[in-house]
Amino acid sequence: DTGVSQNPRHKITKRGQNVTFRCDPISEHNRLYWYRQTLGQGPEFLTYFQNEAQLEKSRLLSDRFSAERPKGSFSTLEIQRTEQGDSAMYLCASSLTTSGTDTQYFGPGTRLTVL
Amino acid sequence: AQKVTQAQTEISVVEKEDVTLDCVYETRDTTYYLFWYKQPPSGELVFLIRRNSFDEQNEISGRYSWNFQKSTSSFNFTITASQVVDSAVYFCALSEAGNAGGTSYGKLTFGQGTILTVHP
Repeated sequence: DTGVSQNPRHKITKRGQNVTFRCDPISEHNRLYWYRQTLGQGPEFLTYFQNEAQLEKSRLLSDRFSAERPKGSFSTLEIQRTEQGDSAMYLCASSLTTSGTDTQYFGPGTRLTVL
Repeated sequence: AQKVTQAQTEISVVEKEDVTLDCVYETRDTTYYLFWYKQPPSGELVFLIRRNSFDEQNEISGRYSWNFQKSTSSFNFTITASQVVDSAVYFCALSEAGNAGGTSYGKLTFGQGTILTVHP
């Protein structure tokens, strides 16, 4: 079973540019999550999908951020007009919800640096 | 609102010492799930354990053990006979069930993490 994969692993961009990250979950996992982690902090929830439906968005997710999971498989996270404060590690996780369980497995992350 | 506190920012031990990482949580739900993850220097979060709020049995897995106490809202993690490979950041996390069915609501709330350094 392959794990969660994320691309690119690193992204350096200039302030004001748009960036897009991709996450491929574990095969057949129906839930997909995005988190953001800054240095010295725990991951913070951004949003999650169950199949194609985006079920919750954090207040941290400004209108410059948009996420999609068009066919219920891979997901993309786009940040428009990047700011220096967007520099962070963006983590994706997936899970298979069965009764009473929802263990999230994380990908290696995409490290974004905004200059 | 749910909250997880890991009061120990950094712990340093010598190999073969036992070490306990503390985790205290806050939630208004009666059904919830607690997790521990390990984040080695490579950066990828590795799942270690999940407990639900109705199962207070302690668990042991090799050198790892977990002590869940609802009375004190704590879910502590002990590594016995620590090894250099245990050096990592360890995160405790909480997920509220959010519905009567008990299926995890999903969103994880993480603590700040504890940096564990094991010296040879």
